[in-house]
Amino acid sequence: EVQLVESGGGLVQPGGSLRLSCAASGFTFSSYDMHWVRQPTGKGLEWVSAISTAGDTYYPGSVKGRFTISRENARNSLYLQMNSLRAGDTAVYYCARAAAGSHYGMDVWGQGTTVTVSS
Amino acid sequence: DIQMTQSPSSLSASVGDRVTITCRASQSIRSYLNWYQQKPGKAPKLLIYAASSLQSGVPSRFSGSGSGTDFTLTISSLQPEDFATYYCQQSYSTHTFGQGTKLEIK
Repeated sequence: EVQLVESGGGLVQPGGSLRLSCAASGFTFSSYDMHWVRQPTGKGLEWVSAISTAGDTYYPGSVKGRFTISRENARNSLYLQMNSLRAGDTAVYYCARAAAGSHYGMDVWGQGTTVTVSS
Repeated sequence: DIQMTQSPSSLSASVGDRVTITCRASQSIRSYLNWYQQKPGKAPKLLIYAASSLQSGVPSRFSGSGSGTDFTLTISSLQPEDFATYYCQQSYSTHTFGQGTKLEIK
């Protein structure tokens, strides 16, 4: 079964750091681009970062310079290092697989992990 | 950055109705437009990719059309399980989601 399982969420103070992990199974992880997408409670989806099979990384302006996406193909794992966290970063964070060809949507999603930034 | 605007933001409809949701991009995105369905407490589900291609396993009552800046998602005959929130997403230049359309039961 194709599956993504996120972990690492929790409560962190403003200015703090957190590292999210996403464990992939049931497919050849190294062959797919991967994404992180977040969703504040009751609000819409926001794309957070992407990493290609070659390790190229992409971010929107809202997190660039604070968040770092990485992957470890030998462990079938995706990571998101989040630094200088703000209250506005509070959300459910999903990892998602890019469908074959990164222009064709995100076809597999994890269940999400919750990050709360609060003092 | 490319902005995506969906309309309407919410919609009330009945089982059996034909429903159309619109998504407009702030610049041409060719056909790099995807549609997702999300139910409360669940992860999004890919319905349509590349503007008009149906994702495997998605019922044929869902269809997509458009290119350039204007796109539509159509549900031909609403079923009870279709009441959810729908998002468009451009994948032409990095990625941006629309703000969502909540489809509610009338």
